[in-house]
Amino acid sequence: DVKVTQSSRYLVKRTGEKVFLECVQDMDHENMFWYRQDPGLGLRLIYFSYDVKMKEKGDIPEGYSVSREKKERFSLILESASTNQTSMYLCASSLWGEGGANVLTFGAGSRLTVL
Amino acid sequence: GQNIDQPTEMTATEGAIVQINCTYQTSGFNGLFWYQQHAGEAPTFLSYNVLDGLEEKGRFSSFLSRSKGYSYLLLKELQMKDSASYLCAVVDSNYQLIWGAGTKLIIKP
Repeated sequence: DVKVTQSSRYLVKRTGEKVFLECVQDMDHENMFWYRQDPGLGLRLIYFSYDVKMKEKGDIPEGYSVSREKKERFSLILESASTNQTSMYLCASSLWGEGGANVLTFGAGSRLTVL
Repeated sequence: GQNIDQPTEMTATEGAIVQINCTYQTSGFNGLFWYQQHAGEAPTFLSYNVLDGLEEKGRFSSFLSRSKGYSYLLLKELQMKDSASYLCAVVDSNYQLIWGAGTKLIIKP
């Protein structure tokens, strides 16, 4: 019944390492998103994609990049991890909805710790 | 700037009723979502309001007043499994989601 799968639930990396977070959805959704979730803050959008090979910057794209080579897969890349990127990362997908009714389906999250 | 305010934490008793408020100041409005997130799990969709008024879905209801920039989520007949964080999010004029920090709801027996 799992619809959005994030490959790693927990990761521990060292400063400067390259980190890949993978997300796969099986609902044929056009839209995919990467958020980070930190205590006391609302979800913050890092990048999103409305189509294969397409990407748009969100509110906090610095230090991140993404890849969407296939419709079902959206990867988040940290080129050189830093301690301030320690966070919970949530992937989500959606269909286009009427008006603003764009319901997101989230993955269970990837908790990244950068030492 | 854009802002969504929710209480950080609330406590309620099993079987009771609780109301979780959300106030917003955003550039435009195209709807408001409530999501539920159990600890360590994915947020899941609860409700979407775009018109003023109350929408009821079983034990959960969501209310919206666009003129007041205000919404609430009403949970009735509380169960222990309702212990979770409740996230309020507003769709702004650019159809971007603006998220509140979430309200952690603790249910006591």
